Amino acid sequence: QVQLQESGPGLVKPSETLSLTCAVSGDFISNGNFWGWSRQPPGKGLEWIGSIHHSGSTTYNPSLQSRVSISVDTSKNQFSLKVTSVTAADTAIYYCTRDTGNYVTGYWGQGTLVTVSS
Amino acid sequence: DIQVTQSPSSLSASVGDRVTITCRASQSITNYLNWYQHKPGKAPNLLIFGTSNLQTGAPSRFSGSGSGTDFTLTISSLQPEDFATYYCQHRHAFGQGTKLEI
Repeated sequence: QVQLQESGPGLVKPSETLSLTCAVSGDFISNGNFWGWSRQPPGKGLEWIGSIHHSGSTTYNPSLQSRVSISVDTSKNQFSLKVTSVTAADTAIYYCTRDTGNYVTGYWGQGTLVTVSS
Repeated sequence: DIQVTQSPSSLSASVGDRVTITCRASQSITNYLNWYQHKPGKAPNLLIFGTSNLQTGAPSRFSGSGSGTDFTLTISSLQPEDFATYYCQHRHAFGQGTKLEI
C-alpha cells in the first residue's frame, strides 16, 4: 500500500521560502509515476501545484510557476516542494500526491497545515 | 488556459436520492476529467478518472459521463457517508467544488 507523509515547518514568515518534504513508502519514486503537490487554503477549494517525474521532468500550475519548484531524492525515496516569497495567501493544507501521467491523483498524503504569518 | 466550472456550488439532498453534479470546461478536453470526494480533515479521494472510469474501491453508485466540454458525476442512491465536497479536475485545474449536504 502506497503511503505518503508530508513534513516541514508549520509556520513560515512572509517573504520567506516554504519548504516541505514527502516521504514515500510502499513504492519507489524511481519506478515511474509522477509525484506532486496540491493544496487547500482555509475555506477554499483544491489547487494543483505541480508534479515531477523521477527523470526530473517537472510541470507546474501556471499561476504558481514563478515561485514553485519540486525536486526528487531517489536515494531517500522522497520529494520536496519549495515556494518562494510566500504571503498569507499561501496559507493552506499542503498534500503530497502520486499522480499518473494524465494528472490522475490516486494517492494523497494526510496533509500538513502551513501558516504564513509573522 | 482551460478552466473548469462546477455547478451547483452546494446541494441539499436526502439519503436515497439520485444526485447529479455538473462540470463544464472552457474548451473541449476530450475525456480528461476526474472527480474527487473530499471530507473535512481527510485527504481527497479519487472516485472517477478519464470521465467514466470508476477508481478501484469506489462504490458502484458513483458514475461519470460526458465528453467535450460537459461532464457529470452521478450518485445513484445517496448514502450517509456520501455527504462531502466533490471536485472535478482537468489537468492542473480543479473546479470550485460542490458541497453536498443533508
